[in-house]
Amino acid sequence: TQLLEQSPQFLSIQEGENLTVYCNSSSVFSSLQWYRQEPGEGPVLLVTVVTGGEVKKLKRLTFQFGDARKDSSLHITAAQTGDTGLYLCAGQGSGNTGKLIFGQGTTLQVKP
Amino acid sequence: DADVTQTPRNRITKTGKRIMLECSQTKGHDRMYWYRQDPGLGLRLIYYSFDVKDINKGEISDGYSVSRQAQAKFSLSLESAIPNQTALYFCATSGDSHSPLHFGNGTRLTVT
Repeated sequence: TQLLEQSPQFLSIQEGENLTVYCNSSSVFSSLQWYRQEPGEGPVLLVTVVTGGEVKKLKRLTFQFGDARKDSSLHITAAQTGDTGLYLCAGQGSGNTGKLIFGQGTTLQVKP
Repeated sequence: DADVTQTPRNRITKTGKRIMLECSQTKGHDRMYWYRQDPGLGLRLIYYSFDVKDINKGEISDGYSVSRQAQAKFSLSLESAIPNQTALYFCATSGDSHSPLHFGNGTRLTVT
């Protein structure tokens, strides 16, 4: 069974601070997706990383896929209150089923 | 209009009742999924369907059933609701095994 451990589960920081969220597994994933979810809404895709060692940037957000494709990180630079939300990582499992395995999620609160 | 629509948005029911959660999509995707979200547990897959004639159990299918009435419609039923089925339920679609998931806005179900 493939599992994704996401940490930390909760993060409360001041506006302007930097933060990193980690997603780790003992299994290899063919790709990894990061989603953001706001209260009352479903998760929305931020990015997909596919290649080991890949780095993608989305404005102040930097996503990295580990060289062995077992882990990923999300780094936010100079967090803003609008970054508040639940961040979820999801790994594409083995085989061609399209099933995603989700981490537990990181609840981020950015205070003004 | 939302691409993935879930009804109802909120539902309170009593133990032992049968209820149905509905999902419809206008994205033209063949693949549809039902997930359950609980605090600290992330999203867990209940059932998924790759086309109208293809239904598959996910990791937590016990106590649930589904029906794929058409390409655009995928409903989730709880035959006899129990309190530990209280959760946020999400329907999602995808185009293929490598595409991201597109989520509805969820149904908050409370079983008393």
